[in-house]
Amino acid sequence: NAGVTQTPKFQVLKTGQSMTLQCAQDMNHNSMYWYRQDPGMGLRLIYYSASEGTTDKGEVPNGYNVSRLNKREFSLRLESAAPSQTSVYFCASSLLAGTQETQYFGPGTRLLVL
Amino acid sequence: AQTVTQSQPEMSVQEAETVTLSCTYDTSENNYYLFWYKQPPSRQMILVIRQEAYKQQNATENRFSVNFQKAAKSFSLKISDSQLGDTAMYFCAFMKLGNTGTASKLTFGTGTRLQVTL
Repeated sequence: NAGVTQTPKFQVLKTGQSMTLQCAQDMNHNSMYWYRQDPGMGLRLIYYSASEGTTDKGEVPNGYNVSRLNKREFSLRLESAAPSQTSVYFCASSLLAGTQETQYFGPGTRLLVL
Repeated sequence: AQTVTQSQPEMSVQEAETVTLSCTYDTSENNYYLFWYKQPPSRQMILVIRQEAYKQQNATENRFSVNFQKAAKSFSLKISDSQLGDTAMYFCAFMKLGNTGTASKLTFGTGTRLQVTL
């Protein structure tokens, strides 16, 4: 039982390049989330998926797209990376959205955009 | 919108001593949850403790306990018998209780960096 896994752990991109961050969970959770963490700030929600087949914007969605591939996997795509997207990205999952279910986090992906 | 404030950017405590981390929040909601997450140097976000707003009793998890003051909108974390492994960034977070299927958006504070020393 690995919990929430993320790949890659670290990535360097040039401005304008695209990439996809992968996230998978093996806890049979229904809901998944993508957050970003910037220096001196807490985590901020980018997108979430309350259940398989649904996605919605969070607090800072601009410049990102997501895909809920199946119940286990939720990917985050940067179509044209910008230096402002340099951050640490966390994926999380919970049993149900909108309830008291605790969110469990992956180890994070550190992204540097030059 | 909810806001979470952690007014102590850094704190230090000696091993075996007790330390309290402060957190205040602002909300007009009545039903919500509060969390403390720990982020060690590995960057993994680890749940430490959670508190349901409707419960008057303060949550405890081994050496970790909270002082939840709903009227004052205060949610502090007390770590007893501090250990070197407690060295980490600690984040306070607020979750509004919504309808099933809607976002369980966690609003985080900016964190308190705790250093446990010998």
